[in-house]
Amino acid sequence: AQSVAQPEDQVNVAEGNPLTVKCTYSVSGNPYLFWYVQYPNRGLQFLLKYITGDNLVKGSYGFEAEFNKSQTSFHLKKPSALVSDSALYFCAVRVPRPGAGNNRKLIWGLGTSLAVNP
Amino acid sequence: DTAVSQTPKYLVTQMGNDKSIKCEQNLGHDTMYWYKQDSKKFLKIMFSYNNKELIINETVPNRFSPKSPDKAHLNLHINSLELGDSAVYFCASSQDGWGSNQPQHFGDGTRLSIL
Repeated sequence: AQSVAQPEDQVNVAEGNPLTVKCTYSVSGNPYLFWYVQYPNRGLQFLLKYITGDNLVKGSYGFEAEFNKSQTSFHLKKPSALVSDSALYFCAVRVPRPGAGNNRKLIWGLGTSLAVNP
Repeated sequence: DTAVSQTPKYLVTQMGNDKSIKCEQNLGHDTMYWYKQDSKKFLKIMFSYNNKELIINETVPNRFSPKSPDKAHLNLHINSLELGDSAVYFCASSQDGWGSNQPQHFGDGTRLSIL
């Protein structure tokens, strides 16, 4: 079965330190990969995506992510964490639906709660 | 300018009642979605409409009925509310439907509490 895993329920990091939020996937075909952030009492906000091309993609708020095909990973990173980065982060993967033409299925990870300590 | 707006923001009601949640997007997108986020923050797709046509209908009780009067609106009606329906419901929209590489834009959610 196709799946997306965010292996850490929670990540704690000190302000100013680099942060990594992990995402791995097990899918067939060429996936489209997305990261979203959810602040308390808000909807999800798009951060960045990988479709094709350069494996390192840059997004909003200083975040970046690296697509690693051999390790089937798409980890979210930021060189220097801010307290305001504390939020819930979701990885999502869009994969082809068998026999459905251009229609793609979106699979969501379960989310990782990031806490940045002052 | 709110891109995806949902009303109401909070909904507290008794078990057995019928309620509706409204969603509007002003982004000109052709695809809209309803998601349910439970108390553990797990996100589950419920429905998706593309150009007013239902294209995704996950395993959701038929007490839930989406209605899309036009491309900019997708409402969710829930009959005979149950305790397990308590959750945050998110509306979202995107361009070019389910084959797209475009991201989804989310509303801020409707917090439904069943007493």
